Amino acid sequence: AQSVTQLDSQVPVFEEAPVELRCNYSSSVSVYLFWYVQYPNQGLQLLLKYLSGSTLVKGINGFEAEFNKSQTSFHLRKPSVHISDTAEYFCAVRPVWNTDKLIFGTGTRLQVFP
Amino acid sequence: EAGVAQSPRYKIIEKRQSVAFWCNPISGHATLYWYQQILGQGPKLLIQFQNNGVVDDSQLPKDRFSAERLKGVDSTLKIQPAKLEDSAVYLCASRAGGQAQTDTQYFGPGTRLTVL
Repeated sequence: AQSVTQLDSQVPVFEEAPVELRCNYSSSVSVYLFWYVQYPNQGLQLLLKYLSGSTLVKGINGFEAEFNKSQTSFHLRKPSVHISDTAEYFCAVRPVWNTDKLIFGTGTRLQVFP
Repeated sequence: EAGVAQSPRYKIIEKRQSVAFWCNPISGHATLYWYQQILGQGPKLLIQFQNNGVVDDSQLPKDRFSAERLKGVDSTLKIQPAKLEDSAVYLCASRAGGQAQTDTQYFGPGTRLTVL
């Protein structure tokens, strides 16, 4: 079975500051990893995904994430946040062999202050 | 390319009433999912369709929830009768449905249900 842990339920940060949202996962099989963003009153939008290759993945809106297999982590980073980045961020995993079994973490609310 | 469409966006009902949600997936996407997202939690899969057939409904509370995708395109999720604990956002997602391991799910805007 797979599980995802997002330890930080809320992350407050000032505009233009860097941010890191943490994600750790547990799985006995190889997995693909995803970050989704959910803006207020909207659905989930795919930010980035790690399937294979380079462990540093770049996504939309200036976000990037690094896959660390030894630490079973997939932390999301942005060097300088904007007010518009205020949203809920979800980390998700799925087994490589199963395109349907997407397991989500509980989410991290990023609040950017001016 | 149009995304996944859902309606209504918001719904408020009394407990024991019935409610239905509609989803139109991305054109050509064979696989469709319904997720339930309770406040403060990540989405959890309720049911998965491949074309018009159910692939996985193991997490669907079948005593009160039902879903269909009659023509393999649009889908409807129904709750009858609703309970207070059904208050949540109901998300529809779709993917192309091929065997490619890299296939990705795309989500609609969701329907926020409040049961009073």
